[in-house]
Amino acid sequence: DAGVTQSPTHLIKTRGQQVTLRCSPKSGHDTVSWYQQALGQGPQFIFQYYEEEERQRGNFPDRFSGHQFPNYSSELNVNALLLGDSALYLCASSLDQPYQETQYFGPGTRLLVL
Amino acid sequence: AQSVSQHNHHVILSEAASLELGCNYSYGGTVNLFWYVQYPGQHLQLLLKYFSGDPLVKGIKGFEAEFIKSKFSFNLRKPSVQWSDTAEYFCAVKGGFKTIFGAGTRLFVKA
Repeated sequence: DAGVTQSPTHLIKTRGQQVTLRCSPKSGHDTVSWYQQALGQGPQFIFQYYEEEERQRGNFPDRFSGHQFPNYSSELNVNALLLGDSALYLCASSLDQPYQETQYFGPGTRLLVL
Repeated sequence: AQSVSQHNHHVILSEAASLELGCNYSYGGTVNLFWYVQYPGQHLQLLLKYFSGDPLVKGIKGFEAEFIKSKFSFNLRKPSVQWSDTAEYFCAVKGGFKTIFGAGTRLFVKA
C-alpha cells in the first residue's frame, strides 16, 4: 500500500516563473491538504481539497491555487514566484469521516526560487 | 485566530532522562490535537492524537500526551528517552478543516 507520494522531489525556479507540484494521496483517502514549511518553521496550511473543491484556505495569496482530480490526486500551482516562496511543500491526505481525519504526509517537494 | 505555541525550540537530554514538551493552543471551538514527529531524513509521522474521551492519550514508542482543556494545553511526555528519539516534534491543532502547527521542538538525545 503506497503512502502519499509527491513529485518532483526538488526543483529550482527563478522569480516570476510558475510552478506545479503534484500529490497522490494514500490509497483510500479522499481529502488532500497542502502545506508550506519554511526552514526552521512548522508547516503552514495553504488549503484543503475535497470532492474536487477547495473547502478551506489558509492565509496565502491568490498566487497559490490548486486542483483535485476525480482520482483524488492533487496539484498545487504557484504563479509569479517570489524568493520567499522557497520552502518545502508538503501534501497530506486523509479520509473525510469522523475520527478518521488523521493526516498522512508525503516526503515533500523542496522548491528553491532564485 | 488559531495559534499553537511550543515552549522550547531546542531540548538536549541524556538517554534515560524524562521528557516533557509543552504545547499551548488558541482556538475558540472544538479541536482535535496531534503530535507529529520528523526523524532525520524522514517525513512527518503521527505520534499520537486526541479527538475526544480520555484526556490522557498514548502513542507510539512510549509517548503520551495529556489534554488539559482549562489550560488549552497538550503536553507530550516520555518517561525515559532513547538516542533514537532524536527528532523534531510538532504539536498541531485541527479546528474545522484547517490544521495549525507549532514551530517545532528539536530534541537531541545524547547517548
